[in-house]
Amino acid sequence: GDSVTQMEGPVTLSEEAFLTINCTYTATGYPSLFWYVQYPGEGLQLLLKATKADDKGSNKGFEATYRKETTSFHLEKGSVQVSDSAVYFCALLMFSGGYNKLIFGAGTRLAVHP
Amino acid sequence: DGGITQSPKYLFRKEGQNVTLSCEQNLNHDAMYWYRQDPGQGLRLIYYSQIVNDFQKGDIAEGYSVSREKKESFPLTVTSAQKNPTAFYLCASRTSGTSDTQYFGPGTRLTVL
Repeated sequence: GDSVTQMEGPVTLSEEAFLTINCTYTATGYPSLFWYVQYPGEGLQLLLKATKADDKGSNKGFEATYRKETTSFHLEKGSVQVSDSAVYFCALLMFSGGYNKLIFGAGTRLAVHP
Repeated sequence: DGGITQSPKYLFRKEGQNVTLSCEQNLNHDAMYWYRQDPGQGLRLIYYSQIVNDFQKGDIAEGYSVSREKKESFPLTVTSAQKNPTAFYLCASRTSGTSDTQYFGPGTRLTVL
């Protein structure tokens, strides 16, 4: 079945370091792909998305490119800040059973220290 | 401001009691969703509704019930039949048509004592 696999956390970085969080997916068809971010005690916020192969989503210095050939959607940021500390979820959207279904990865916790 | 509100933020329940979680949106979205989040796991779909007066079971509907009498509201009832109800519950909504983005509320943390 359709699934999303993320790298396990926690990822611990110093401020201004480069960030990569890996995400790969298994899906039939051509899903839309998303990154959501969850700050402590809060709901999920959409960070970025891509709807077709080779699309690059970007927001707040984060970016991810939809790679169909490697079924990946890795999240990157060139210089992280302490305020980026959160849990990041990769997700894919498929039309299944008559509705749009979001399938989430397990999440990757990022901790950035000064 | 437009958005999704969930109340209460924290909820405590004794075993054997039913409890209802509120979800309201003023985004004029047609579709609404309830998810459950457990520590270290992704979100799992409980129920969804694509239009008023219609809703469907998601992947883990057992022990839960919903209603959709108004477009703005999609309350979730956690019944005593739910064996392990302690979790973080998230509501989301999406506009109809070709939009594929779901927007989430702030969540309700339910603890069964």
